[in-house]
Amino acid sequence: EADIYQTPRYLVIGTGKKITLECSQTMGHDKMYWYQQDPGMELHLIHYSYGVNSTEKGDLSSESTVSRIRTEHFPLTLESARPSHTSQYLCASSERAGLGLAEAFFGQGTRLTVV
Amino acid sequence: QQPVQSPQAVILREGEDAVINCSSSKALYSVHWYRQKHGEAPVFLMILLKGGEQKGHEKISASFNEKKQQSSLYLTASQLSYSGTYFCGTAGSQGNLIFGKGTKLSVKP
Repeated sequence: EADIYQTPRYLVIGTGKKITLECSQTMGHDKMYWYQQDPGMELHLIHYSYGVNSTEKGDLSSESTVSRIRTEHFPLTLESARPSHTSQYLCASSERAGLGLAEAFFGQGTRLTVV
Repeated sequence: QQPVQSPQAVILREGEDAVINCSSSKALYSVHWYRQKHGEAPVFLMILLKGGEQKGHEKISASFNEKKQQSSLYLTASQLSYSGTYFCGTAGSQGNLIFGKGTKLSVKP
């Protein structure tokens, strides 16, 4: 069973509010990812990290920011939420695996609605 | 570089077989396959690391043709529980995990 947790599971918030989506894993994985997914649609990589103090932007441009101060923690922050940010946000982690990639474990996701 | 999946959607009757393809325009070091059921997180099915490798998971198996830069997922004698969206994932240029657009599989009784 995957040991990666996201909170909150659901969040409804007003436009202009600052929010932080939490993601924690207890597997000691170096690599962590944030994906954005609209219902029934594809998974868009918005941020990733190779380890502590490493953060990179993914293929989909996002107004969110991330930090990686501890191996187990990879929070995502939106400074000023807008209705266009309404989506599901999925966090994942994996071990390093050379040129290939190890299995990714996903959290249950945070479904964000901005009104 | 996002991998390309085909078909976009498949509708099957229980017991029928299906093949989902995943291809890339760049060299592949590994291919992942995940299944996501409605309202749930994606779940890992298998990873293929070497050209020519084949793996199986229950009645779901996959192959990896490194030279052709493609992988195929085979679902044999499909069950209702196989319904969901199947994603292939590959390593992006920075070693991150990038997914195809997904193939929606519906298995009907």
